Amino acid sequence: DAGVTQSPTHLIKTRGQQVTLRCSPISGHKSVSWYQQVLGQGPQFIFQYYEKEERGRGNFPDRFSARQFPNYSSELNVNALLLGDSALYLCASSIRGQGAGDTEAFFGQGTRLTVV
Amino acid sequence: AQRVTQPEKLLSVFKGAPVELKCNYSYSGSPELFWYVQYSRQRLQLLLRHISRESIKGFTADLNKGETSFHLKKPFAQEEDSAMYYCALRGEYGNKLVFGAGTILRVKS
Repeated sequence: DAGVTQSPTHLIKTRGQQVTLRCSPISGHKSVSWYQQVLGQGPQFIFQYYEKEERGRGNFPDRFSARQFPNYSSELNVNALLLGDSALYLCASSIRGQGAGDTEAFFGQGTRLTVV
Repeated sequence: AQRVTQPEKLLSVFKGAPVELKCNYSYSGSPELFWYVQYSRQRLQLLLRHISRESIKGFTADLNKGETSFHLKKPFAQEEDSAMYYCALRGEYGNKLVFGAGTILRVKS
């Protein structure tokens, strides 16, 4: 399966710690977006990167940061973890970065982060 | 502000019955609307989008700009349609998807 891959699949961290989540997009896709999905809610946009530049940021505190590498993979970092950061973190890749048109977002299986 | 509302958390229907999953949105410009589906233990995947105007797995959705709605419909539900369904919006200059809270569709035999 050559879909979007995320690692790790599950993670348990303690309050105040830092965490790094990783995402590999579909081959040929240059855009990666990150979403947070809290239990019982729909995914909420955190960041989008296209061609290694940040192209969008959601309403999240500065504790959340991300970057995209030359191979288009991406990392999401969260510092000073809070209990409320416990969620499923989804990565989505698409061919292009923005705008209308035929740009489908393909989602990974997600990383389940539990903060205790 | 961009907002998507799915008023039903759970919709339970019998096999063969019609299905309508409701979605209303708030956006001042010309949005793109999508329906995503998540089957048990599978990843979120695109079901259909309004610009393609196609029917996928028997599902259709029409964008009603007057009522700001994008309801998902299927005339005869099947057990394999049981899943979580999310309505999502992307703005005309958008680079993000705004999701509703989702509706669980349960098709009973």
